[in-house]
Amino acid sequence: AQSVTQLGSHVSVSEGALVLLRCNYSSSVPPYLFWYVQYPNQGLQLLLKYTTGATLVKGINGFEAEFKKSETSFHLTKPSAHMSDAAEYFCAVSDLPHQAGTALIFGKGTTLSVSS
Amino acid sequence: KAGVTQTPRYLIKTRGQQVTLSCSPISGHRSVSWYQQTPGQGLQFLFEYFSETQRNKGNFPGRFSGRQFSNSRSEMNVSTLELGDSALYLCASSAGTGGDYGYTFGSGTRLTVV
Repeated sequence: AQSVTQLGSHVSVSEGALVLLRCNYSSSVPPYLFWYVQYPNQGLQLLLKYTTGATLVKGINGFEAEFKKSETSFHLTKPSAHMSDAAEYFCAVSDLPHQAGTALIFGKGTTLSVSS
Repeated sequence: KAGVTQTPRYLIKTRGQQVTLSCSPISGHRSVSWYQQTPGQGLQFLFEYFSETQRNKGNFPGRFSGRQFSNSRSEMNVSTLELGDSALYLCASSAGTGGDYGYTFGSGTRLTVV
């Protein structure tokens, strides 16, 4: 069964610093991987996704993630944090990536705090 | 282009009652999924519908049910509400299958059971 582990429930950075949010997955098939962001009292917004092809994926708001099969990782990075990046971030994997009706299996989430 | 619309945004119900939540997907999206978000269990998949057919179901009791209409709008119903059903219920729609196109989420319905 597919699963996701997000290392660190809370990450704090200074404005302008590198953001690194860690995600490791377990999947019995080539995975589809996603990063979502959630602001307070809102739904989830897709930052980026990996399905096939290039392993370095660029998303919105300057975020990117690299799929590393050998490390079963899909860490999210941003070179320079902005105050508006403060939110909760979720990594997810599809349970049936190549079949219809797939569900997303989410990690527990990482809260990112950005200080000035 | 309108996003995923969920109604109502907030709901307060009493234990034992039933509740129906509504979701209108992005125009042209035929896949609708439902998720429950709680502080303790996180985000958990409830079910997925495509062209009025349930194709996948999560590990929830039979009190949780859903349906999809011919216009792709979806509803989920929870009967005999329990305190533990208090959660943010999120709906997501997708243009394709298998996650290829990603999922767009609505803002959710916050259900409080008292």
